[in-house]
Amino acid sequence: NAGVMQNPRHLVRRRGQEARLRCSPMKGHSHVYWYRQLPEEGLKFMVYLQKENIIDESGMPKERFSAEFPKEGPSILRIQQVVRGDSAAYFCASSVEVGEQYFGPGTRLTVT
Amino acid sequence: DQQVKQNSPSLSVQEGRISILNCDYTNSMFDYFLWYKKYPAEGPTFLISISSIKDKNEDGRFTVFLNKSAKHLSLHIVPSQPGDSAVYFCAASTSNDYKLSFGAGTTVTVRA
Repeated sequence: NAGVMQNPRHLVRRRGQEARLRCSPMKGHSHVYWYRQLPEEGLKFMVYLQKENIIDESGMPKERFSAEFPKEGPSILRIQQVVRGDSAAYFCASSVEVGEQYFGPGTRLTVT
Repeated sequence: DQQVKQNSPSLSVQEGRISILNCDYTNSMFDYFLWYKKYPAEGPTFLISISSIKDKNEDGRFTVFLNKSAKHLSLHIVPSQPGDSAVYFCAASTSNDYKLSFGAGTTVTVRA
């Protein structure tokens, strides 16, 4: 079952450390989206990428957050100098074209 | 700014009865609406959708109703089954946009 894969599933970081979250889209999908779900809230759009291009990062915090989707390998969401408020579930989704998005199982980030 | 709202955080229903989940939205530009189902430790999975040109869409036990004038949609599950116990998210977008706006979710528990 070649669904969207995310790793790690759980990540614990101390304040000030870096967090790297990985997403491998479904086979044949070249569009990747990252969403964040804070406790008691719905998923919120962060960024939309195609291979080697950031198409829309309007939902990304301006500082400390970055994303990439290289020609080879998974998409990476990188959070530098994490703070407690970054604790959340981060979901990646992928699609063939702009259309139905298939979600991965998420990475639960805990900042201590 | 929460553009999609699910005001009931939880719903308990007896097996075999109807589950009705509600969702309200504020952005009049939304014209495509989706429901996702999420089990613990998994990502959201697409359930059913409706575009604004329709007011009802049915797929097996699941029916979505859209009231554009009230900016309200609902999901009906008939009959409810124990496997339906999950968190249900309402989401919306404009038809040309990839960004999904999610509600906070409703946790459905189906009692045997």
